[in-house]
Amino acid sequence: GNSVTQMEGPVTLSEEAFLTINCTYTATGYPSLFWYVQYPGEGLQLLLKATKADDKGSNKGFEATYRKETTSFHLEKGSVQVSDSAVYFCALLGSSNTGKLIFGQGTTLQVKP
Amino acid sequence: DAGVIQSPRHEVTEMGQEVTLRCKPISGHDYLFWYRQTMMRGLELLIYFNNNVPIDDSGMPEDRFSAKMPNASFSTLKIQPSEPRDSAVYFCASSSFEKLFFGSGTQLSVL
Repeated sequence: GNSVTQMEGPVTLSEEAFLTINCTYTATGYPSLFWYVQYPGEGLQLLLKATKADDKGSNKGFEATYRKETTSFHLEKGSVQVSDSAVYFCALLGSSNTGKLIFGQGTTLQVKP
Repeated sequence: DAGVIQSPRHEVTEMGQEVTLRCKPISGHDYLFWYRQTMMRGLELLIYFNNNVPIDDSGMPEDRFSAKMPNASFSTLKIQPSEPRDSAVYFCASSSFEKLFFGSGTQLSVL
């Protein structure tokens, strides 16, 4: 079945450091891929998405490229801020589009000033 | 739109009591999801609906849990009787065209 695997956290960085959070997936066909972010005390919110191979999703300085050859969708940001501290979830929606997203386990990011 | 609205925001109850969590999805969304989040298990999908019909309830942990969606603008998740291990944050989410929107969650504490 479909699944998503994220790197384990927590990830601790200093402000202005480069961020990578790894995400790989297993799916048949051509899923859509997503990154969601959860700030403390809030629900998850969509950060970015990509719907086909080689698409790049981007938002708020974050980027992720849909790599079908490596079944990956790694999240990157060139210069993190303290306000980026949150939990990040990678997710996929299968090509059969049942409406149900499959989430990874989440990666906690802590950015220190 | 006000987004997905959940109530109550916090619920503290005693073991054995009935708990009802409420959700109003975004108007026009055809999918509704109930999730549970804990430190130990992370984010778990409990049940989801499409056009008010339950599609997959395989994540509902026990018969103590039940969910209903009587119309397109309202859903409930009920736990009866509640147990301390049910303590968690419960999220409702709705979606349309692949975009999933979460409510702010209900923090449930069962003493």
